Amino acid sequence: KAGVTQTPRYLIKTRGQQVTLSCSPISGHRSVSWYQQTPGQGLQFLFEYFSETQRNKGNFPGRFSGRQFSNSRSEMNVSTLELGDSALYLCASSLLGSILGDNEQFFGPGTRLTVL
Amino acid sequence: AQTVTQSQPEMSVQEAETVTLSCTYDTSESNYYLFWYKQPPSRQMILVIRQEAYKQQNATENRFSVNFQKAAKSFSLKISDSQLGDTAMYFCAFLLTGANNLFFGTGTRLTVIP
Repeated sequence: KAGVTQTPRYLIKTRGQQVTLSCSPISGHRSVSWYQQTPGQGLQFLFEYFSETQRNKGNFPGRFSGRQFSNSRSEMNVSTLELGDSALYLCASSLLGSILGDNEQFFGPGTRLTVL
Repeated sequence: AQTVTQSQPEMSVQEAETVTLSCTYDTSESNYYLFWYKQPPSRQMILVIRQEAYKQQNATENRFSVNFQKAAKSFSLKISDSQLGDTAMYFCAFLLTGANNLFFGTGTRLTVIP
């Protein structure tokens, strides 16, 4: 079974632009969560989608948004990019959206976003 | 709010030796899970071991084991017979039961020295 895939793997943007990142979960998984990883702030939760609905949201400004499609693939969008948005963006999928028993979160390789 | 603290930014261990990584957390909840994740250089994060807070028995996965002290809110990871492939960032993480957002510590960079 293929793992979680994220595209693109690397991205360079300039301040003020917007960006869309994509995440394809493991086949059959219905929950996708997004995390931002930076050297200064570490790993921080952005949001979680389950069956096309956002169920949980972290403490990020409204410039960060996401969505999930009927095939469980998810996208996250960042508008009006700032230098501080430079980070590794990780997505994780789980079967039923709750880490109980064997429903662990499987992480993708991440998208490295650099904002110049 | 939940917080996770890893007080050891970097550690090193000789190959075949044992090393313990520390993690403390703070929560007012009683039902939760704790995890250790491994993130090798330029590779995907993978789950190493998990502990359910309601279980008194410490979790073990092959060479990896935890020392879970619920009253002290401590959750350390012991790696026995360290291997070169254990070189990675290790993150301690907390999850409330029923939620799906992990709270991570700042990580410990472990280097296994041949």
